[in-house]
Amino acid sequence: DSGVTQTPKHLITATGQRVTLRCSPRSGDLSVYWYQQSLDQGLQFLIQYYNGEERAKGNILERFSAQQFPDLHSELNLSSLELGDSALYFCASSPTNSKTSGRAFRSYNEQFFGPGTRLTVL
Amino acid sequence: AQSVAQPEDQVNVAEGNPLTVKCTYSVSGNPYLFWYVQYPNRGLQFLLKYITGDNLVKGSYGFEAEFNKSQTSFHLKKPSALVSDSALYFCAVRDMEYNQGGKLIFGQGTELSVKP
Repeated sequence: DSGVTQTPKHLITATGQRVTLRCSPRSGDLSVYWYQQSLDQGLQFLIQYYNGEERAKGNILERFSAQQFPDLHSELNLSSLELGDSALYFCASSPTNSKTSGRAFRSYNEQFFGPGTRLTVL
Repeated sequence: AQSVAQPEDQVNVAEGNPLTVKCTYSVSGNPYLFWYVQYPNRGLQFLLKYITGDNLVKGSYGFEAEFNKSQTSFHLKKPSALVSDSALYFCAVRDMEYNQGGKLIFGQGTELSVKP
């Protein structure tokens, strides 16, 4: 058990719908990362938050958005869902030893992954 | 751009034999390298990391990895494979470029199959 929790475990929904995935990081971790795992794209980084602020963006579609709340849990919102959005979505958290320089933020610690949410769009 | 490659989609090993799962990387600057394992219908579990120091890194479940700067490789090894080691293994590099948040860049994964 990594200490990162994700809900729900499974989501089945229809095209055009909107869903929200939830993540609670390990106690004390301020950084939250979201990744998408699909057969054709592999594991892809979506977005990162640190202590409530967005820090880095990856291959995240405009239909997707995320936020991190004051209690540090994070939500990933997926809207106007398409068949191709079916995937396993992981959240990860990381300890806060890092290098910072102005707005740059780079953490070199390992990330701890939650069990994932499997999204199926029909 | 940072990248990681795992040249083998699948590795087959007999139980009790040594195993190697290969990984090569391309980064600008110092590499921060990681291995993760994924069991079916589970999340990724951290195995080990190389940040600096000794080239041989020891991790969980008897795994180790050898960092080779000249060959830009970070191969995962285990002296004696177990059937329970069968899983999907990912090599990853931390993206330390400006404003990338230290995200992980993953290889495509290698399916390890250990037969009795």
